[in-house]
Amino acid sequence: AQKVTQAQTEISVVEKEDVTLDCVYETRDTTYYLFWYKQPPSGELVFLIRRNSFDEQNEISGRYSWNFQKSTSSFNFTITASQVVDSAVYFCALSEPANSGYALNFGKGTSLLVTP
Amino acid sequence: DAMVIQNPRYQVTQFGKPVTLSCSQTLNHNVMYWYQQKSSQAPKLLFHYYDKDFNNEADTPDNFQSRRPNTSFCFLDIRSPGLGDAAMYLCATSRVRDRAQPQHFGDGTRLSIL
Repeated sequence: AQKVTQAQTEISVVEKEDVTLDCVYETRDTTYYLFWYKQPPSGELVFLIRRNSFDEQNEISGRYSWNFQKSTSSFNFTITASQVVDSAVYFCALSEPANSGYALNFGKGTSLLVTP
Repeated sequence: DAMVIQNPRYQVTQFGKPVTLSCSQTLNHNVMYWYQQKSSQAPKLLFHYYDKDFNNEADTPDNFQSRRPNTSFCFLDIRSPGLGDAAMYLCATSRVRDRAQPQHFGDGTRLSIL
């Protein structure tokens, strides 16, 4: 069975600090896909990034960066110079195989609060 | 411009009174999903439509049903809501039914049961 663990339930930082959100996953599949979504207080889930299992290249998009390490089954997300608008719940997710309904298997989420 | 639109944003219904939540999309995606997200929990898939093919998750209660009259619209019907059904309901779409495809979510409908 697949599993996504986000051990950090809540994180609070002061604006301009860097923050890393951890994600550890379990799967028996050799091909799999990992996602990060952001859920601000308004409720909508916003897609941030997808990573496939055969591409270990790290990615940077502005203040966001992702570190994918198959050896440790981790897909961590770093926000550099955090801003108040980054306050949200962040979900890491693993897509299920076809026989499991194509669901996104979400971790429990990390609630990030950035204060001025 | 919103591409996955859910109505209403907030819905209040009485215990046992049927309720319908609506989702529409302008992306022309083939797949539409309904997730249930209870307070401080991760979203959980209830079912999905691949075109007109309905796929129910094994542990989705019989109380929950869905309709997809055309590509653009999908409805979630809760026949006899109980207090435990109070949650945020999220609709999502993907272009094709493929694990690699990101799912695009609407703003959600927050359902309260009196």
